[in-house]
Amino acid sequence: QKEVEQNSGPLSVPEGAIASLNCTYSDRGSQSFFWYRQYSGKSPELIMFIYSNGDKEDGRFTAQLNKASQYVSLLIRDSQPSDSATYLCAVNTGGGNKLTFGTGTQLKVEL
Amino acid sequence: DADVTQTPRNRITKTGKRIMLECSQTKGHDRMYWYRQDPGLGLQLIYYSFDVKDINKGEISDGYSVSRQAQAKFSLSLESAIPNQTALYFCATRSTGDTDTQYFGPGTRLTVL
Repeated sequence: QKEVEQNSGPLSVPEGAIASLNCTYSDRGSQSFFWYRQYSGKSPELIMFIYSNGDKEDGRFTAQLNKASQYVSLLIRDSQPSDSATYLCAVNTGGGNKLTFGTGTQLKVEL
Repeated sequence: DADVTQTPRNRITKTGKRIMLECSQTKGHDRMYWYRQDPGLGLQLIYYSFDVKDINKGEISDGYSVSRQAQAKFSLSLESAIPNQTALYFCATRSTGDTDTQYFGPGTRLTVL
């Protein structure tokens, strides 16, 4: 089992819809969770991080964490074509010294 | 100016050549990381460093070496490049005591022929 798993997609949503991206992780000791956005050929950029169970909202983005189920998700409301990218889930591991990344989910927002 | 810079941005080399990728940061962060990214495999950690005297191997360190010349500089070397080291390489930094957030450089696209 991979430490961090994501569906590779592509996930296609129409413009204005809600995009839901999911991630599961295996290390129960993980304490912090991150979502990065990566455009093709570019470097990952941080969208959100979350530490506590529940929801965390930032503009059109909401991160959701359920530690009991070892599940973290990212919701993007009012999806725009500029949101089309690969979204990487990352989890702190190695006692907090490292981040382990999922392989990413490709999101396509269609006009 | 960018906080994390990488040089070169693109490099084509031949099998067996030695090559160095450099990373510099002005963020004042103590922790630095090197990753490689292959299509469909996500980001894989090569080496990481907590300070100039603390270097640690990541999950795919074979064939690579690193040098932390100063707090702001972390170099990755391929002693004898091979074609399956063709990939996109990223440097990242993080501040101890801050969140675990890592900040990435723009990447180096390396092609080994």
